[in-house]
Amino acid sequence: GAGVSQSPRYKVAKRGQDVALRCDPISGHVSLFWYQQALGQGPEFLTYFQNEAQLDKSGLPSDRFFAERPEGSVSTLKIQRTQQEDSAVYLCASSSRRLAHNEQFFGPGTRLTVL
Amino acid sequence: KNEVEQSPQNLTAQEGEFITINCSYSVGISALHWLQQHPGGGIVSLFMLSSGKKKHGRLIATINIQEKHSSLHITASHPRDSAVYICAVTTGNQFYFGTGTSLTVIP
Repeated sequence: GAGVSQSPRYKVAKRGQDVALRCDPISGHVSLFWYQQALGQGPEFLTYFQNEAQLDKSGLPSDRFFAERPEGSVSTLKIQRTQQEDSAVYLCASSSRRLAHNEQFFGPGTRLTVL
Repeated sequence: KNEVEQSPQNLTAQEGEFITINCSYSVGISALHWLQQHPGGGIVSLFMLSSGKKKHGRLIATINIQEKHSSLHITASHPRDSAVYICAVTTGNQFYFGTGTSLTVIP
C-alpha cells in the first residue's frame, strides 16, 4: 500500500515567486496535517484538515500561506511571494481518524529553498 | 515558546549500549508521540502513548503524566538506530514537537 507522498521533493524558488506544494495522503485518511520544519528544528504545525474542511489554520505564519483540500483527499500548500525565511522542509501527514492524537503517517517532505 | 523539551540534543553511543532520551512538556496533552526521522526527512511514528509504558522490539517508551515526562529507551543499540528522535505532544488538533535528539551509534 502506498504511503503519503509529496511533490516536488525539492523546490528552489526566487524570492517573490509563488510556489505550490502537493500532498497525496493515504487513501481514505480523514485527517491531513501540514508542518514546517526549519533546519535543525523540530516540525511546527501549520494547518489541519478533516476531509475537505480546514479546521485549524492557526499555525500558518502569514497570509502568504494558503492551504486547500477541495475534495478531501489531495492537498496543496501554496506560498505566495516567497521570502528567504520560508526556506524549510514542508511535511504532510495523514491519519485515518479525526484529531491529532491518533497515529499520523508522514510523507517524505518537500525541501523548499528560497534564494 | 518551548512546549516540549528534549535531552540530550546530541548523543553518541557504542553499539550495544542502552540509550535513554528524555522529553518534558508543559501543556496538557491528549497523547505523546515518539517519532524517528532519518536523514532525508522521512518521519516514522514509533509510539503513541497517553499513560504507562509501551514496548516494541528493542524500543521502550514510558510516560509519567503527573510529572509531564516521557523517556524513550533503546536496548542493545545498533548503528541502524542512528537517526533523530523527536518527541511530540498533541492537544486537540495541535501537535507540538521537540527539536529532536540526534543519535549516532558507532559500530
